[in-house]
Amino acid sequence: ETGVTQTPRHLVMGMTNKKSLKCEQHLGHNAMYWYKQSAKKPLELMFVYSLEERVENNSVPSRFSPECPNSSHLFLHLHTLQPEDSALYLCASSLGGGLAGGGGYNEQFFGPGTRLTVL
Amino acid sequence: KNQVEQSPQSLIILEGKNCTLQCNYTVSPFSNLRWYKQDTGRGPVSLTIMTFSENTKSNGRYTATLDADTKQSSLHITASQLSDSASYICVVSAGGSYIPTFGRGTSLIVHP
Repeated sequence: ETGVTQTPRHLVMGMTNKKSLKCEQHLGHNAMYWYKQSAKKPLELMFVYSLEERVENNSVPSRFSPECPNSSHLFLHLHTLQPEDSALYLCASSLGGGLAGGGGYNEQFFGPGTRLTVL
Repeated sequence: KNQVEQSPQSLIILEGKNCTLQCNYTVSPFSNLRWYKQDTGRGPVSLTIMTFSENTKSNGRYTATLDADTKQSSLHITASQLSDSASYICVVSAGGSYIPTFGRGTSLIVHP
């Protein structure tokens, strides 16, 4: 195990539902990330939280809303999703990196992911 | 536009054989390049990281090479095992940027 846990592992939701994904890291890291992984596509970085700052990929729709209450926990709130949002959502954490510079040198440790299906 | 291209898209080999995966990138300015292994149903795990000045780095049966001039990297797997069946992802980071560029990955299947 990498020290990064995600719940739930699988989620099926309708387009009108509201749900949240949870990520927790037990590594003492200070940066956390949300990624989207669709079939046959590269990993897509959605959000970065580092040193209590948040940076987002401008292409991410507003129906995805992140929350990072502390350096160990990260949430992704979902509402009015579309079928094309079905994907594997991965959380990662790192020590430093993120906005702290280093060009992503610091290794990111990934959780197992949440497999999301939107009906 | 920063891009990372991996080849082949998929590869099937017999157990015990060697194989080489390729990664070409156009990320600039280059900071570092990572190879990740992602087992089915799991998150990626880092295998190697290489900076501009490094040409070769090994991690057990995995050996990564980097040619910064031609902007190419390769991942060589020696004496493949069934557990090597996975997706291998090349990730390149640019200096001053916190958003890395990911390749689509190479899907490797090792048959007994």
